[in-house]
Amino acid sequence: QVHLQESGPGLVKPSETLSLTCTVSGDSISSYYWSWIRQPPGKGLEWIGYIHYSGSAKYNPSLKRRVTISVDTSKNQFSLKLSSVTTADTAVFYCARARSSSWAVFEYWGQGALVTVS
Amino acid sequence: QSVLTQPPSVSEAPRQRVTISCSGSSSSIGTNAVNWYQQLPGKAPKLLIYYNDLLSSGVSDRFSGSKSGTSASLAISGLQSEDEADYYCAAWDDSLNALVFGGGTKLTVL
Repeated sequence: QVHLQESGPGLVKPSETLSLTCTVSGDSISSYYWSWIRQPPGKGLEWIGYIHYSGSAKYNPSLKRRVTISVDTSKNQFSLKLSSVTTADTAVFYCARARSSSWAVFEYWGQGALVTVS
Repeated sequence: QSVLTQPPSVSEAPRQRVTISCSGSSSSIGTNAVNWYQQLPGKAPKLLIYYNDLLSSGVSDRFSGSKSGTSASLAISGLQSEDEADYYCAAWDDSLNALVFGGGTKLTVL
């Protein structure tokens, strides 16, 4: 059974960098595409970007200048860094694994991690 | 304002059928596949439908999806109280060069 778990600080100060890690169990990260999606409190979902185990990544243009997603195959983890955060970046951040046939179909999700910028 | 437009809320009685619409454009739904997610209160989203009309593994066949032109729909038949949730459509947008979600629709089972 595939399991994803987000971890990282729950509180980040404005102008600093938000960092989260997604640990994958029950599957090898050396397959598929892995994404980050966020959801501000009471609002809808926003795709942040994805990474492939090879290291290739694609980001939402609206966040591209501030986002870096990386992968560590030795730890079966991938990570998100979002720089220069403001209160508008407060959200629940989800990591997700795509179906093998398409990076854009999110088949497995982590439980989510609330990050507050304050 | 979301690129994909969904009604903010829908409601229907138990055992009835409800549809949730998702309206896009030629650069999003008109060209690319639509996926649907269910988000129960306080939970992570769950994949229901992918590639417009394919049922995700383990999902009840009471759920179905369709697409026509620049719009897509999610239908839920035999409504149950456990179906109360937020539902999101998603598709790639060629113009924005991004995966976009609808604003979400809150389903209330009366």
